[in-house]
Amino acid sequence: DQQVKQNSPSLSVQEGRISILNCDYTNSMFDYFLWYKKYPAEGPTFLISISSIKDKNEDGRFTVFLNKSAKHLSLHIVPSQPGDSAVYFCAVNTNAGKSTFGDGTTLTVKP
Amino acid sequence: EAGVAQSPRYKIIEKRQSVAFWCNPISGHATLYWYQQILGQGPKLLIQFQNNGVVDDSQLPKDRFSAERLKGVDSTLKIQPAKLEDSAVYLCASSHILIRVGRNSPLHFGNGTRLTVT
Repeated sequence: DQQVKQNSPSLSVQEGRISILNCDYTNSMFDYFLWYKKYPAEGPTFLISISSIKDKNEDGRFTVFLNKSAKHLSLHIVPSQPGDSAVYFCAVNTNAGKSTFGDGTTLTVKP
Repeated sequence: EAGVAQSPRYKIIEKRQSVAFWCNPISGHATLYWYQQILGQGPKLLIQFQNNGVVDDSQLPKDRFSAERLKGVDSTLKIQPAKLEDSAVYLCASSHILIRVGRNSPLHFGNGTRLTVT
């Protein structure tokens, strides 16, 4: 059973608009959440994270929101740029430093 | 800092053959991970090392997969014999994290080895 779910395999937005990527998790004991970005033929790279003691973390154009009661987090990119086109993975850190990943959402930002 | 190095980048083998992948993590990173990423899915953990000891290999198909990190630095992952369903990208990652210190450390990934089994 998947512990981390990204229900939208793909998302297309216009340059300059907001991109919202969503992620749901099953275990309320998870307490640290990360987003990774992956370009073709490269490994994932860390983008932004949030601890369960917060409900929002912002880094430039990227903001992650956490709704613990709904077991849901989202990544907002504003404004979206063509260079943001990539696959975005949501991940949770479990005990002993193990990361469990969702299946990713492919974001396409159109000029 | 230099990133995680992996080789080879691509490998094509026939089923029942063997293959090995190599990984050199970021200098000073105590924890090393091997992930398998099948097309259209997220990375799935195969094995986690801290220094040269295995922390978690519960998802490693031990009848055909093996991994070692003999000196606590670089690591090799081997598949013998390979099956068609092993076709995937094999990602190596490392992190600062030490198990008892905390778990809030992002992973640093290499570019992976794309394996095709025919």
